[in-house]
Amino acid sequence: DIQLTQSPSSVSASVGNRVTITCRASQDISKWLAWYQQKPGTAPKLLIYAASTVQSGVPSRFTGSGSGTDFTLTISSLQPEDFATYSCQQTDSLPYTFGQGTKLDIK
Amino acid sequence: EEQLVQSGAVVKRPGESLKISCKASGYMFIDYWIGWVRQMPGKGLEWMGIIYPGDSETKYSPSFEGQVTISADKSISTAYLQWSSLKASDTAIYYCARHRLGLGIDSWGQGTLVTVSS
Repeated sequence: DIQLTQSPSSVSASVGNRVTITCRASQDISKWLAWYQQKPGTAPKLLIYAASTVQSGVPSRFTGSGSGTDFTLTISSLQPEDFATYSCQQTDSLPYTFGQGTKLDIK
Repeated sequence: EEQLVQSGAVVKRPGESLKISCKASGYMFIDYWIGWVRQMPGKGLEWMGIIYPGDSETKYSPSFEGQVTISADKSISTAYLQWSSLKASDTAIYYCARHRLGLGIDSWGQGTLVTVSS
């Protein structure tokens, strides 16, 4: 199975800050990575797929980049509703494994 | 608009069997793979497996193969996840998830909390 390692595991930031979360794959997955946002008590929501394509309806402050083994999710100017847990998922090969998650909370 | 509606929370004893469901609407059920994702209390997401409702082809994560069975009934646009003998370690929220292969999970059910306790 492909392992995904996210860093940091948790981060504190303020409204208006820029935040970057990284996801490293244990082998080359080309561009086949997705990012999700999950708020407590709710299902995850797809933000980014194919490393950099923003899902319809997702604000433009969310951007994804990377290829191969190293990927990033950037939130350009944090809004109050962005405080949540973010998870990456590789969609290159089965099983479609997830990273362990990064919790973003308010400083 | 596509929607996945899951069956309600359940409490079971160790050793009991269980089948939970996920009813799809708003799209052609046989056009997408649909699967299940586990989230244990306070933990991250774990991909369990998927099924193609058109022909019932199923793919499991090695971590879950033999532990659960994924099935689907295309006549009623419903996917299922079942256990023959539950363990306490099966306590978790289970999400059904519509997959676009290679492009991620674009639609999720609301989650079903399964609690296994003696």
